[in-house]
Amino acid sequence: GNSVTQMEGPVTLSEEAFLTINCTYTATGYPSLFWYVQYPGEGLQLLLKATKADDKGSNKGFEATYRKETTSFHLEKGSVQVSDSAVYFCALVYGNKLVFGAGTILRVKS
Amino acid sequence: GAVVSQHPSWVICKSGTSVKIECRSLDFQATTMFWYRQFPKQSLMLMATSNEGSKATYEQGVEKDKFLINHASLTLSTLTVTSAHPEDSSFYICSAAFWGERSYEQYFGPGTRLTVT
Repeated sequence: GNSVTQMEGPVTLSEEAFLTINCTYTATGYPSLFWYVQYPGEGLQLLLKATKADDKGSNKGFEATYRKETTSFHLEKGSVQVSDSAVYFCALVYGNKLVFGAGTILRVKS
Repeated sequence: GAVVSQHPSWVICKSGTSVKIECRSLDFQATTMFWYRQFPKQSLMLMATSNEGSKATYEQGVEKDKFLINHASLTLSTLTVTSAHPEDSSFYICSAAFWGERSYEQYFGPGTRLTVT
Protein backbone atom coordinates (compact mmCIF):
# COMPACT_ATOMS: atom_id res chain seq x y z
CA GLY A 1 0.00 0.00 0.00
CA ASN A 2 0.89 3.66 0.15
CA SER A 3 2.76 4.79 3.24
CA VAL A 4 5.20 7.35 4.56
CA THR A 5 7.95 6.73 7.08
CA GLN A 6 9.64 9.54 8.95
CA MET A 7 12.54 9.54 11.33
CA GLU A 8 11.46 9.42 14.93
CA GLY A 9 11.90 12.43 17.09
CA PRO A 10 12.18 14.51 18.95
CA VAL A 11 15.05 16.16 17.16
CA THR A 12 16.79 18.70 19.38
CA LEU A 13 19.19 21.20 17.83
CA SER A 14 20.92 24.39 18.79
CA GLU A 15 20.10 27.56 16.91
CA GLU A 16 21.92 27.85 13.56
CA ALA A 17 22.51 24.10 13.34
CA PHE A 18 21.86 22.12 10.16
CA LEU A 19 18.60 20.20 10.03
CA THR A 20 17.74 16.99 8.22
CA ILE A 21 14.49 15.11 8.76
CA ASN A 22 14.37 11.90 6.79
CA CYS A 23 11.27 10.81 4.92
CA THR A 24 10.82 7.78 2.69
CA TYR A 25 7.69 6.61 0.99
CA THR A 26 6.09 3.56 -0.56
CA ALA A 27 3.62 4.22 -3.31
CA THR A 28 2.10 3.07 -6.53
CA GLY A 29 3.34 5.32 -9.28
CA TYR A 30 4.86 8.72 -8.59
CA PRO A 31 2.71 10.70 -6.19
CA SER A 32 3.15 14.34 -5.28
CA LEU A 33 5.04 14.76 -2.03
CA PHE A 34 4.56 17.34 0.71
CA TRP A 35 6.01 18.64 3.92
CA TYR A 36 3.58 20.18 6.39
CA VAL A 37 4.44 22.00 9.62
CA GLN A 38 2.28 22.21 12.73
CA TYR A 39 3.01 24.80 15.40
CA PRO A 40 1.72 24.17 18.93
CA GLY A 41 -2.05 24.35 19.16
CA GLU A 42 -2.50 25.04 15.46
CA GLY A 43 -3.53 23.22 12.29
CA LEU A 44 -1.17 22.17 9.54
CA GLN A 45 0.51 24.56 7.15
CA LEU A 46 1.93 23.51 3.82
CA LEU A 47 5.68 24.07 3.98
CA LEU A 48 6.71 22.84 0.55
CA LYS A 49 5.85 20.32 -2.10
CA ALA A 50 7.21 18.53 -5.17
CA THR A 51 5.12 17.01 -7.90
CA LYS A 52 7.60 14.92 -9.88
CA ALA A 53 10.97 13.23 -9.67
CA ASP A 54 13.98 15.54 -9.18
CA ASP A 55 11.72 18.48 -8.30
CA LYS A 56 12.99 20.54 -5.40
CA GLY A 57 10.47 22.21 -3.15
CA SER A 58 11.65 25.14 -1.07
CA ASN A 59 10.18 27.66 1.33
CA LYS A 60 11.42 29.73 4.29
CA GLY A 61 14.91 28.25 3.98
CA PHE A 62 13.64 24.67 3.98
CA GLU A 63 14.29 22.41 1.01
CA ALA A 64 13.38 18.88 -0.05
CA THR A 65 14.15 17.03 -3.27
CA TYR A 66 11.94 14.31 -4.73
CA ARG A 67 14.27 11.34 -5.18
CA LYS A 68 12.62 8.59 -7.17
CA GLU A 69 15.59 6.22 -7.02
CA THR A 70 15.66 6.21 -3.22
CA THR A 71 11.93 6.96 -2.76
CA SER A 72 12.86 9.76 -0.41
CA PHE A 73 11.91 13.36 0.28
CA HIS A 74 14.22 14.47 3.08
CA LEU A 75 13.65 17.90 4.61
CA GLU A 76 16.71 20.13 5.12
CA LYS A 77 17.49 23.58 6.44
CA GLY A 78 20.93 25.08 6.66
CA SER A 79 20.45 27.12 9.83
CA VAL A 80 17.49 26.55 12.14
CA GLN A 81 15.94 29.13 14.41
CA VAL A 82 14.04 28.81 17.66
CA SER A 83 10.90 29.76 15.75
CA ASP A 84 11.24 26.59 13.66
CA SER A 85 10.31 24.49 16.67
CA ALA A 86 7.24 22.57 15.57
CA VAL A 87 6.06 19.18 14.35
CA TYR A 88 6.90 18.34 10.74
CA PHE A 89 4.83 15.90 8.70
CA CYS A 90 5.85 14.31 5.43
CA ALA A 91 2.96 13.25 3.21
CA LEU A 92 2.03 11.91 -0.18
CA VAL A 93 -1.23 12.18 -2.04
CA TYR A 94 -3.01 8.98 -3.04
CA GLY A 95 -6.04 9.62 -5.18
CA ASN A 96 -7.42 12.63 -3.41
CA LYS A 97 -6.28 11.66 0.09
CA LEU A 98 -3.16 12.67 1.91
CA VAL A 99 -1.19 9.91 3.60
CA PHE A 100 0.86 11.28 6.48
CA GLY A 101 3.95 10.12 8.22
CA ALA A 102 3.92 9.96 12.00
CA GLY A 103 5.42 13.42 12.37
CA THR A 104 8.76 14.54 13.76
CA ILE A 105 9.02 16.96 16.66
CA LEU A 106 11.76 19.55 16.21
CA ARG A 107 13.02 21.51 19.20
CA VAL A 108 15.50 24.30 18.64
CA LYS A 109 17.36 25.71 21.65
CA SER A 110 18.80 29.20 21.80
CA GLY B 1 -2.39 31.47 -0.22
CA ALA B 2 -5.68 29.68 0.24
CA VAL B 3 -7.29 30.06 3.65
CA VAL B 4 -9.45 27.60 5.53
CA SER B 5 -11.20 28.60 8.73
CA GLN B 6 -12.73 26.53 11.50
CA HIS B 7 -15.22 27.55 14.11
CA PRO B 8 -15.11 27.32 17.01
CA SER B 9 -11.40 27.09 17.76
CA TRP B 10 -12.16 25.40 21.05
CA VAL B 11 -15.26 24.11 22.76
CA ILE B 12 -16.11 22.48 26.06
CA CYS B 13 -19.33 20.51 26.29
CA LYS B 14 -21.02 18.14 28.69
CA SER B 15 -21.36 14.42 28.12
CA GLY B 16 -24.44 13.56 26.09
CA THR B 17 -24.67 16.85 24.23
CA SER B 18 -23.90 17.46 20.55
CA VAL B 19 -21.32 19.82 19.14
CA LYS B 20 -21.09 21.26 15.64
CA ILE B 21 -17.80 22.34 14.07
CA GLU B 22 -17.73 24.41 10.89
CA CYS B 23 -15.07 24.38 8.21
CA ARG B 24 -15.00 27.05 5.52
CA SER B 25 -12.75 27.69 2.54
CA LEU B 26 -12.58 31.48 2.48
CA ASP B 27 -11.12 32.32 -0.91
CA PHE B 28 -11.60 29.26 -3.06
CA GLN B 29 -14.12 26.57 -3.85
CA ALA B 30 -13.20 23.16 -2.55
CA THR B 31 -13.92 20.06 -4.56
CA THR B 32 -13.53 17.97 -1.47
CA MET B 33 -13.29 18.53 2.26
CA PHE B 34 -11.70 16.20 4.77
CA TRP B 35 -12.06 15.76 8.50
CA TYR B 36 -9.18 14.54 10.63
CA ARG B 37 -8.75 13.74 14.26
CA GLN B 38 -5.45 14.18 16.05
CA PHE B 39 -4.56 12.73 19.42
CA PRO B 40 -1.80 14.32 21.51
CA LYS B 41 1.64 13.86 19.99
CA GLN B 42 0.27 11.74 17.17
CA SER B 43 -0.30 12.09 13.48
CA LEU B 44 -3.58 12.97 11.84
CA MET B 45 -6.18 10.26 11.44
CA LEU B 46 -8.50 10.73 8.49
CA MET B 47 -12.10 10.35 9.62
CA ALA B 48 -14.07 11.08 6.48
CA THR B 49 -14.08 12.61 3.04
CA SER B 50 -16.94 14.73 1.81
CA ASN B 51 -17.92 16.17 -1.53
CA GLU B 52 -20.45 18.92 -1.91
CA GLY B 53 -23.97 17.61 -2.26
CA SER B 54 -23.18 13.97 -1.60
CA LYS B 55 -22.84 11.73 1.42
CA ALA B 56 -19.53 11.61 3.21
CA THR B 57 -17.29 8.60 2.90
CA TYR B 58 -16.13 7.42 6.30
CA GLU B 59 -12.88 5.64 7.03
CA GLN B 60 -13.00 2.20 8.57
CA GLY B 61 -13.73 2.30 12.28
CA VAL B 62 -15.33 5.76 12.26
CA GLU B 63 -18.96 5.76 13.38
CA LYS B 64 -21.00 7.63 10.82
CA ASP B 65 -23.96 8.03 13.16
CA LYS B 66 -21.76 9.62 15.79
CA PHE B 67 -19.78 11.92 13.53
CA LEU B 68 -22.29 13.53 11.19
CA ILE B 69 -20.82 15.37 8.24
CA ASN B 70 -22.75 17.78 6.07
CA HIS B 71 -21.19 19.40 3.03
CA ALA B 72 -23.70 22.09 2.20
CA SER B 73 -21.72 24.02 -0.39
CA LEU B 74 -18.34 24.22 -2.10
CA THR B 75 -17.10 26.40 0.74
CA LEU B 76 -18.70 24.90 3.86
CA SER B 77 -18.61 21.55 5.61
CA THR B 78 -19.77 20.78 9.14
CA LEU B 79 -18.89 18.00 11.55
CA THR B 80 -21.38 17.27 14.33
CA VAL B 81 -20.24 15.10 17.20
CA THR B 82 -23.46 13.61 18.54
CA SER B 83 -23.99 12.45 22.11
CA ALA B 84 -20.43 13.36 22.95
CA HIS B 85 -18.45 11.39 25.50
CA PRO B 86 -15.11 12.17 27.17
CA GLU B 87 -13.32 9.80 24.78
CA ASP B 88 -14.40 12.08 21.92
CA SER B 89 -12.19 14.80 23.36
CA SER B 90 -9.59 15.53 20.73
CA PHE B 91 -8.23 18.02 18.23
CA TYR B 92 -10.34 18.02 15.06
CA ILE B 93 -8.85 19.44 11.88
CA CYS B 94 -10.53 19.97 8.55
CA SER B 95 -8.98 20.51 5.17
CA ALA B 96 -10.27 21.68 1.83
CA ALA B 97 -8.89 20.52 -1.48
CA PHE B 98 -9.03 21.21 -5.18
CA TRP B 99 -7.06 20.32 -8.31
CA GLY B 100 -4.92 23.29 -9.28
CA GLU B 101 -3.35 23.88 -12.64
CA ARG B 102 -0.35 21.71 -11.94
CA SER B 103 -1.06 19.77 -8.81
CA TYR B 104 -3.42 18.75 -6.10
CA GLU B 105 -3.83 21.44 -3.47
CA GLN B 106 -5.04 20.81 0.04
CA TYR B 107 -5.21 23.41 2.79
CA PHE B 108 -5.87 22.88 6.45
CA GLY B 109 -7.93 24.72 8.98
CA PRO B 110 -6.44 25.79 12.31
CA GLY B 111 -8.21 23.00 14.20
CA THR B 112 -10.87 22.79 16.90
CA ARG B 113 -10.04 21.56 20.39
CA LEU B 114 -13.02 19.63 21.79
CA THR B 115 -13.17 18.80 25.48
CA VAL B 116 -16.07 16.71 26.74
CA THR B 117 -16.61 16.79 30.49
